[in-house]
Amino acid sequence: DTGVSQNPRHKITKRGQNVTFRCDPISEHNRLYWYRQTLGQGPEFLTYFQNEAQLEKSRLLSDRFSAERPKGSFSTLEIQRTEQGDSAMYLCATKDSLDYEQYFGPGTRLTVT
Amino acid sequence: QQPVQSPQAVILREGEDAVINCSSSKALYSVHWYRQKHGEAPVFLMILLKGGEQKGHEKISASFNEKKQQSSLYLTASQLSYSGTYFCGTPVSREVRGSTLGRLYFGRGTQLTVWP
Repeated sequence: DTGVSQNPRHKITKRGQNVTFRCDPISEHNRLYWYRQTLGQGPEFLTYFQNEAQLEKSRLLSDRFSAERPKGSFSTLEIQRTEQGDSAMYLCATKDSLDYEQYFGPGTRLTVT
Repeated sequence: QQPVQSPQAVILREGEDAVINCSSSKALYSVHWYRQKHGEAPVFLMILLKGGEQKGHEKISASFNEKKQQSSLYLTASQLSYSGTYFCGTPVSREVRGSTLGRLYFGRGTQLTVWP
């Protein structure tokens, strides 16, 4: 257990539905990252927050994806009008600004049917 | 900017050694190594920040050749607990403690299986 939690751990949804995932970071970590991981691949960067500010978004993050980190604590990742290609493991990672190590949460596995 | 890892998979007997390589066609500023067990989150192993740096973590060590833009992870006298997928990750630019950077590009991973 790294101290980063994600909910839900698994989500099955029908194509076209909206889904929201939550990440609770280690409390003193001001940086929070979202990654997506598909089978046989490494984690792919999606977006990144420093406190409540979203500083960078990957081109992978289409308009259907939105992320927030209100008050610089927990973060949510929402996918609207899900597509089968969205099926993946969504990982959250957090780190302290004075450190290099990213601590990953257990991930949310999304299956779009 | 995704680094390239080799080999894709390694099968070992307990006690054998393995080397996993990570290379990049672009500048490699630093290298992070992670291990992920099936169904679990990636876990940080070590980071190499400077060319020529070598680090060890129990019987797992790594080297970083910045000029050749490559890093290698060495697993000696492998144990059953070493099984998992190993990823190397590299940042978009040189890391400075306290900077606002931190996004990593990960390789596709090397699946290591250790048999008794």
